[in-house]
Amino acid sequence: EAQVTQNPRYLITVTGKKLTVTCSQNMNHEYMSWYRQDPGLGLRQIYYSMNVEVTDKGDVPEGYKVSRKEKRNFPLILESPSPNQTSLYFCASSSSGQPLHFGNGTRLTVT
Amino acid sequence: SQKIEQNSEALNIQEGKTATLTCNYTNYSPAYLQWYRQDPGRGPVFLLLIRENEKEKRKERLKVTFDTTLKQSLFHITASQPADSATYLCALGDSGAGSYQLTFGKGTKLSVIP
Repeated sequence: EAQVTQNPRYLITVTGKKLTVTCSQNMNHEYMSWYRQDPGLGLRQIYYSMNVEVTDKGDVPEGYKVSRKEKRNFPLILESPSPNQTSLYFCASSSSGQPLHFGNGTRLTVT
Repeated sequence: SQKIEQNSEALNIQEGKTATLTCNYTNYSPAYLQWYRQDPGRGPVFLLLIRENEKEKRKERLKVTFDTTLKQSLFHITASQPADSATYLCALGDSGAGSYQLTFGKGTKLSVIP
């Protein structure tokens, strides 16, 4: 089954404790992206990747890192999380001009 | 800068009626437009894609129109059902090298009342 898998589904952490949210896709898509979604603000892009070893900033990259060492994986790293990074996070993948496939989301709470 | 507006944050309609959702954009000439459905706490799910040279697309009870002169897309759900209740997002994309990137509207929350 074609899918984008994010883990964990829920995460509660404390300020400053480094965390990684994993994202993996099995569709051989070259493009992958991370979004955060907050009430009233819609989906905002954090980082995206056009292919292996190619990443670029989206609209709200501050406080986040990503890497794309393999085509299928695109982890999101928060090196020093802060409460304003409490949000619902989505990973997505696609091929050029095609619809995005989204993961089921990671609800992050930073206290 | 590019701007996408989905005119209603929320829309309530009676079961069986046709729901019409609007997506307007400015400062943008998209090559295509997509509509997604999102249920609470879940990732958006793709519904329909329409390209700039297409006027209308249909899929079962769904219909999308794309008017590049008005810079507007309309999304219709006919014979609406309570199961259609969700947030619907429009997203615009470019051609060529920019064809991966989508710009999303904030969504319209549709509630279908039995």
